[in-house]
Amino acid sequence: VQVVETGGGLIQPGGSLRLSCAASGFSVSNNYMNWVRQAPGKGLEWVSIMYPGGDTYYTDSARGRFTISRDKTKNTVYLQMNSLRADDTATYYCARDLGARDVDVWGKGTTVTVSS
Amino acid sequence: QSALTQPPSASGSPGQTVSISCTGTDGDVGGHDYVSWYQQHPGKAPKLIIFAVNKRPSGVPDRFSGSKSGNTASLTVSGLQTEDEADYYCSSYAGWNVGVFGTGTKVTVL
Repeated sequence: VQVVETGGGLIQPGGSLRLSCAASGFSVSNNYMNWVRQAPGKGLEWVSIMYPGGDTYYTDSARGRFTISRDKTKNTVYLQMNSLRADDTATYYCARDLGARDVDVWGKGTTVTVSS
Repeated sequence: QSALTQPPSASGSPGQTVSISCTGTDGDVGGHDYVSWYQQHPGKAPKLIIFAVNKRPSGVPDRFSGSKSGNTASLTVSGLQTEDEADYYCSSYAGWNVGVFGTGTKVTVL
């Protein structure tokens, strides 16, 4: 059971990036899948969640700019990030939770740097 | 959602006991019995050590325990070991929404 994030990189302010999270050992469609981020030297911040039924939720700073989605055939979760800002710079973790925001599976993270 | 409040730091000598508090509101910690704790070593992903207030995942030593009273949850590490030096974060379910993390506590083993 694991998840592997890809898609991070250096992007200019205002740009877009799509992160991917490939899962193995379980189905992303049957689980609560999250994106959590951690800015350099800072704490953890919940970014977004997709419920098994398809409902999605976002933290205030991500709502309207980020979109979480999934592809059942690829067993992959995505985070489309638009209108990126410097304060979006962080390591982004893909994470599975057990249903009550108790995350039992974490990826190693992918780093997003927003800078000109 | 506002972050849950944790002390910035805590410390103890090997073998001692350290406790970390995590204070929220009626809408998160106080309203649900779904508080989790995570351990994060530098450069690593967080690791779940407590869920549902006081349950330990398989493989987590029983030196780690959790509790909750009202809007405040606590993590206790007994018999402190050098490998326990890490950052610790609490988190809570907050209804049909994203979760909320604590501000984090750096534990130093003296």
